[in-house]
Amino acid sequence: DQQVKQNSPSLSVQEGRISILNCDYTNSMFDYFLWYKKYPAEGPTFLISISSIKDKNEDGRFTVFLNKSAKHLSLHIVPSQPGDSAVYFCAARVSYNTDKLIFGTGTRLQVFP
Amino acid sequence: ETGVTQTPRHLVMGMTNKKSLKCEQHLGHNAMYWYKQSAKKPLELMFVYSLEERVENNSVPSRFSPECPNSSHLFLHLHTLQPEDSALYLCASSPASPLEPDTQYFGPGTRLTVL
Repeated sequence: DQQVKQNSPSLSVQEGRISILNCDYTNSMFDYFLWYKKYPAEGPTFLISISSIKDKNEDGRFTVFLNKSAKHLSLHIVPSQPGDSAVYFCAARVSYNTDKLIFGTGTRLQVFP
Repeated sequence: ETGVTQTPRHLVMGMTNKKSLKCEQHLGHNAMYWYKQSAKKPLELMFVYSLEERVENNSVPSRFSPECPNSSHLFLHLHTLQPEDSALYLCASSPASPLEPDTQYFGPGTRLTVL
């Protein structure tokens, strides 16, 4: 059973527009969520995170929104840039088990000029 | 050299071979991880080491054998693998400290092909 789901395998957005990547989870014990970005031939790199006590966290062009009642989070990138083209992974963990991250399958974002 | 490094970057092996993947972190972190990434599947956690002790073995077959000789190095020993073990194997490390953000830093991965 997949506890973290990214239902859109790919997303294509024009440069300058907003990119919205979605993630759903099933385990209500998750209390910390992260987004990672992965370029080809590289490992995932940490992008932004949010604790369950918040519903929004912003860092420059990147904002993560958390809707606990819907068990849904989203990553907004605005404005999107061609360098944002990558695979984005959503991950979650339960606070009492800080070592274990559960990842989604990833969404491939392509930003075109 | 900084960050998390992995060698080799690509590996092709037969089912009867024995090989090892190496991971090294230069970040002073206390925890290290092995992940498996197969096509169209979520990133799967395989092993976790914290302060050189294995704290998690995520039901991984015994043909995968991890080794953590010190906090900076992590190995994954492979023997009698199956073609379905072909995947990208990622190493990661994290501070594992209550004073620092709980984020993991990944290496570039080893692309393994089992013939």
